[in-house]
Amino acid sequence: QVLLQESGPGLVKPSETLSLTCTVSGGSITSDYWSWIRQPPGKGLEWIGYIYYTGTTNYNPSLKSQVTISVDTSKNHFSLKLSSVTAADTAVYYCARAPRLTMIGSWFDPWGQGALVIVSS
Amino acid sequence: DIQMTQSPSSLSASVGDRVTITCRASQSISTYLNWYQQKPGKAPKVLIYAASSLQSGVPSRFSGSGSGTDFTLTISSLQPEDFATYYCQQSYSIPPITFGQGTRLEIK
Repeated sequence: QVLLQESGPGLVKPSETLSLTCTVSGGSITSDYWSWIRQPPGKGLEWIGYIYYTGTTNYNPSLKSQVTISVDTSKNHFSLKLSSVTAADTAVYYCARAPRLTMIGSWFDPWGQGALVIVSS
Repeated sequence: DIQMTQSPSSLSASVGDRVTITCRASQSISTYLNWYQQKPGKAPKVLIYAASSLQSGVPSRFSGSGSGTDFTLTISSLQPEDFATYYCQQSYSIPPITFGQGTRLEIK
């Protein structure tokens, strides 16, 4: 059973870089696609981007200038960096697996439990 | 971007009721439509993928249908544990992957 766990600082200052890591257990990261999704408090879900173990990435155009997703296959984890954050980036950040050979047509399962990141001075 | 619009945004129903939630895409997405359930403080959980396929372990009272631009999620007989927020999601046109705004299902 694949499990995902987010980790990283829960508080980030405005204009700084938010950094989170998602550790995959119970399976190898060298299969499937891996995504970051966020949810501002009381609001809906926003897809941030995905990565394949080869390093291929695809980002939400609305966040593309801020986002970097990377993978470390030796540690079986992938990471999110979001630069120049503002209060609008305050959200619960989820990592998730897309269990298909292609992202087209895929869904997310499982998800991590989520990590709340607050942007505040 | 493909916009996903759910209706209603909120819904009150009673245990045992049959409930239908609708999701409309701004352009055709074939059957590349997935449904999630989210309970407060928890991550979303996939219920239905590819418009009508029931995820393993999900009760059979959940069903999905539709293709093109119009999709429905039906709960045949509401149980107490079904009161939650439901989201649809498309992955036909990437980027971006987009979600509906959510439908909050509350106890009447």
